[in-house]
Amino acid sequence: NAGVTQTPKFRVLKTGQSMTLLCAQDMNHEYMYWYRQDPGMGLRLIHYSVGEGTTAKGEVPDGYNVSRLKKQNFLLGLESAAPSQTSVYFCASSPQVYEQYFGPGTRLTVT
Amino acid sequence: RKEVEQDPGPFNVPEGATVAFNCTYSNSASQSFFWYRQDCRKEPKLLMSVYSSGNEDGRFTAQLNRASQYISLLIRDSKLSDSATYLCVVMREGGSQGNLIFGKGTKLSVKP
Repeated sequence: NAGVTQTPKFRVLKTGQSMTLLCAQDMNHEYMYWYRQDPGMGLRLIHYSVGEGTTAKGEVPDGYNVSRLKKQNFLLGLESAAPSQTSVYFCASSPQVYEQYFGPGTRLTVT
Repeated sequence: RKEVEQDPGPFNVPEGATVAFNCTYSNSASQSFFWYRQDCRKEPKLLMSVYSSGNEDGRFTAQLNRASQYISLLIRDSKLSDSATYLCVVMREGGSQGNLIFGKGTKLSVKP
């Protein structure tokens, strides 16, 4: 039982490049989330999903897109990376709203 | 007023000390509250939920004061392994999916 996994763990992008972050969970959770964490800012919700085929915007959705084609996967896409998107990205899943299980994070640097 | 506010610390305490963190929230209609723990360069993990009657888990005690809109976490007999950042988490009114608000965290460093 791997829990929540994230791919990749680290990535460096140049401004304007695109990439997709993959989150996978093997706990059969309905809800999945993408957060970003910046120094002094705390965790901020980017997008979330309440089930396969559904997505919704969180607090800071601009510049990101998501897809939940399979229940176990939640993808976060950056279409045209900007330096302001340099951050640590955490994926989480939960069987209920409050007990969220987090992945190990992806450290993204945009130069 | 920010939705969830915490003293960022750091709190530097010796082993065996008792330390308390407070967290204030702005929405009086919030119903659910939690403490998460985050180790350096790791993901957050649920430490404990906070109930109106207060709850205790070993050396950790969480309390809620609805009238004053604050939540506290008390750690007794601090261990070196307690060194981490403690995140106060509040569920927005309605409790719909995606409505957890995370505080910025309070950093604790326990020294020998």
